[in-house]
Amino acid sequence: QKEVEQNSGPLSVPEGAIASLNCTYSDRGSQSFFWYRQYSGKSPELIMFIYSNGDKEDGRFTAQLNKASQYVSLLIRDSQPSDSATYLCAVTLSPYGGATNKLIFGTGTLLAVQP
Amino acid sequence: DGGITQSPKYLFRKEGQNVTLSCEQNLNHDAMYWYRQDPGQGLRLIYYSQIVNDFQKGDIAEGYSVSREKKESFPLTVTSAQKNPTAFYLCASTPMGRGLGGNTEAFFGQGTRLTVV
Repeated sequence: QKEVEQNSGPLSVPEGAIASLNCTYSDRGSQSFFWYRQYSGKSPELIMFIYSNGDKEDGRFTAQLNKASQYVSLLIRDSQPSDSATYLCAVTLSPYGGATNKLIFGTGTLLAVQP
Repeated sequence: DGGITQSPKYLFRKEGQNVTLSCEQNLNHDAMYWYRQDPGQGLRLIYYSQIVNDFQKGDIAEGYSVSREKKESFPLTVTSAQKNPTAFYLCASTPMGRGLGGNTEAFFGQGTRLTVV
């Protein structure tokens, strides 16, 4: 089982719709969860981070965390063509019981917003 | 301005040659990471370091080596043992190394694209 799993997509949505991106993780001890956006040939850039169960909203973006189900999601409202990119889920694991932190990424979901 | 600097941006390696990729940060971050990204793929962890003079293997460490002699610097050497090194290499740093929770938001360099010729 992969430590962080995402559907590779592509996920295609029409402009103005809600895009829903999902991620599951294997380590129940994971503490920190991140969503990054990566345009082709560029470095990832942070969109959202979430540490507690529930929802966290920032503009058009909402991150949702459910630690019991080991599930984190990203909702993008009013999707724009400029949102077309690969979205990477990242999770901080603590393989040595908290003595060190290991940041692991999923394979990413390609989002295509159709004008 | 604080940030992470990777160099060079493009690197060409001959078969059997070792090459070193540079990563420097002036963010005073404790932890630093090296990732490899192949076309259409996610980021795979090569090595990471939480403090100076200490580092751990990631998921694909074979054929790579690192050092962490200074807090600001975490160079990656791609050795001749790495049979398929052509990829996009990303260096990242986070504020907090050890300990549960806390802020581990990663900041990335601009990447080095390595090609075997």
